[in-house]
Amino acid sequence: QQQVKQSPQSLIVQKGGISIINCAYENTAFDYFPWYQQFPGKGPALLIAIRPDVSEKKEGRFTISFNKSAKQFSLHIMDSQPGDSATYFCAANSGGATNKLIFGTGTLLAVQP
Amino acid sequence: NAGVTQTPKFQVLKTGQSMTLQCAQDMNHNSMYWYRQDPGMGLRLIYYSASEGTTDKGEVPNGYNVSRLNKREFSLRLESAAPSQTSVYFCASRMGPPGEQYFGPGTRLTVT
Repeated sequence: QQQVKQSPQSLIVQKGGISIINCAYENTAFDYFPWYQQFPGKGPALLIAIRPDVSEKKEGRFTISFNKSAKQFSLHIMDSQPGDSATYFCAANSGGATNKLIFGTGTLLAVQP
Repeated sequence: NAGVTQTPKFQVLKTGQSMTLQCAQDMNHNSMYWYRQDPGMGLRLIYYSASEGTTDKGEVPNGYNVSRLNKREFSLRLESAAPSQTSVYFCASRMGPPGEQYFGPGTRLTVT
């Protein structure tokens, strides 16, 4: 019940295309859903996040779509660029007193020029 | 601001040796975390400290100990390293929204 399932494991997209990464969770107590971007040799960095009372959040080319009833959320990268090539992790915050992040297993995105 | 810093960047240990990974943050954050990252497994929480003076186990605490030395510093100790502890270790800190954690650059540890 504490898992966050992420797919696909890897993704290849042409420059200018749309990249879509999906995540699913079971625990309805999760209260915050961030996405992290990680470049090789670096630590993860917060990209965008959403709360469960919102169905969509957009920041530039990055959009989170959130479906509370289906317990799913996804990251859309519009007009994907080679500089977007990185590993993306979804996560869910456990809420309550501990506020721990549960991470998905990651998606390696390659944007081909 | 340096953000979250970690030392060392790389380390090779022999089985049974001990070492301490250091982490410091200069953002005046209350909470600090230690994760390990392994291929195909995402980031798994080892230990965390919700505030100065408190520490709690995460998902994979066996073989590790931590010390929250002060508000800035949170160290991770391997008392007797095992090959299964070969991984990349990340420290993170948090002040604001629940999920907004700031990560350090990582320590790549190899145990032979």
